Amino acid sequence: DIVLTQSPGTLSLSLGERASLSCRASQSVSSSYLAWYRQKPGQAPRLLIYGTSNRATGIADRISGSGSGTEFTLTISGLEPEDFAVYYCQQSKSSPYTFGQGTKLEIK
Amino acid sequence: QVQLHESGPGLVKPSETLSLTCTVSGGSVSSGDSYWSWVRQPPGKGLEWIGYTVYGGSDNYNPSFKSRVTISIDTSKNQFSLKLSSVTAADTAVYYCARSPTVLLRHFDYWGQGTVVTVSS
Repeated sequence: DIVLTQSPGTLSLSLGERASLSCRASQSVSSSYLAWYRQKPGQAPRLLIYGTSNRATGIADRISGSGSGTEFTLTISGLEPEDFAVYYCQQSKSSPYTFGQGTKLEIK
Repeated sequence: QVQLHESGPGLVKPSETLSLTCTVSGGSVSSGDSYWSWVRQPPGKGLEWIGYTVYGGSDNYNPSFKSRVTISIDTSKNQFSLKLSSVTAADTAVYYCARSPTVLLRHFDYWGQGTVVTVSS
């Protein structure tokens, strides 16, 4: 199985700051098959980024994804209240599809 | 706009079979392009993919569930379902159904709101 390790576990930032979330894979993942989700308490995950850098419908352009191989990054600029949540990366290069353990973005 | 909605018992006894249904609207489970998955999230933990089904194609399951899981499609009701046998307390979780748009785009673009299943006697 491909193991995805996200860091940091918790990120404390203030409104307006920039967040950088990391996702490291145990083996190379094609850029087509790396996605990011945001999950707020009591809600289902919401797709933010697919194919490493493609924003999903309705996602603001201050949210961006980058990376290749085994290192991927989600960047959120100008943090707004809605951004404070848990973020998961996910690979669909090979079965079983796997998720990272999550990064919690909290207000400082 | 595709919408998914899970339904089923919220309480299942140990050793019994968990059965959930996902009703799809705004899209068709028989399109043959989309893949229909189940994902679960134990209390306070992360996300775990259970498996997917695709109309006219092969199902694919997470080996972690070995032979306990079956996902199937009911085209007459535009639904797909999950059956997980021999459940234990470790199967207590929020269960989500989700869609992947195509075989080459295997992320999950639409999700149900989730349904809580507790395994307890």
